[in-house]
Amino acid sequence: QQQVKQSPQSLIVQKGGISIINCAYENTAFDYFPWYQQFPGKGPALLIAIRPDVSEKKEGRFTISFNKSAKQFSLHIMDSQPGDSATYFCAASPSGGSNYKLTFGKGTLLTVNP
Amino acid sequence: NAGVMQNPRHLVRRRGQEARLRCSPMKGHSHVYWYRQLPEEGLKFMVYLQKENIIDESGMPKERFSAEFPKEGPSILRIQQVVRGDSAAYFCASSPNGQSGYTFGSGTRLTVV
Repeated sequence: QQQVKQSPQSLIVQKGGISIINCAYENTAFDYFPWYQQFPGKGPALLIAIRPDVSEKKEGRFTISFNKSAKQFSLHIMDSQPGDSATYFCAASPSGGSNYKLTFGKGTLLTVNP
Repeated sequence: NAGVMQNPRHLVRRRGQEARLRCSPMKGHSHVYWYRQLPEEGLKFMVYLQKENIIDESGMPKERFSAEFPKEGPSILRIQQVVRGDSAAYFCASSPNGQSGYTFGSGTRLTVV
């Protein structure tokens, strides 16, 4: 059972363009939604995160949009740069006693062409 | 602050051997989490430990896998009698509290031949 579905699997964007990655979840107990960036040979690094009490969060060129009723959230990378080329993972964790446990999507390989 | 340190970075084991993966959490962090990443898959939770205690091992295979986080020293993930299906990247993360905004290490890539 895949509780967090991520799409697309891969994405190619031109420099300066907007990259959009989407995730959908099933578990209504999820209340923390981070995005991780992973470069080859490295561990995932926390990029930006959101909780369901807001519909959007922006940090620099990265924005999370959150739709609680649709159980969907997305990552937008504005003015995409070649250095943004990496694998991006969405994740979710529940409220309550298991709030430490992240469920990850399968990842999106982003390539930004110069 | 050296971050979460994992070693070795790469580990090759023959089928049937034991693999020991080490994780030193960030300074001041007493909560450690292990995740496994299979090729082209997301990370899957394995186990959550605090010093000397296993809090949640619901993601650990029932056999051959064990984890510890002793009072002194790094956390250890131990895989006995490895099989080809154990080949994966194993990531450790740590946090100062038992919540999910944690920091991952660079991982140990285990290859079973």
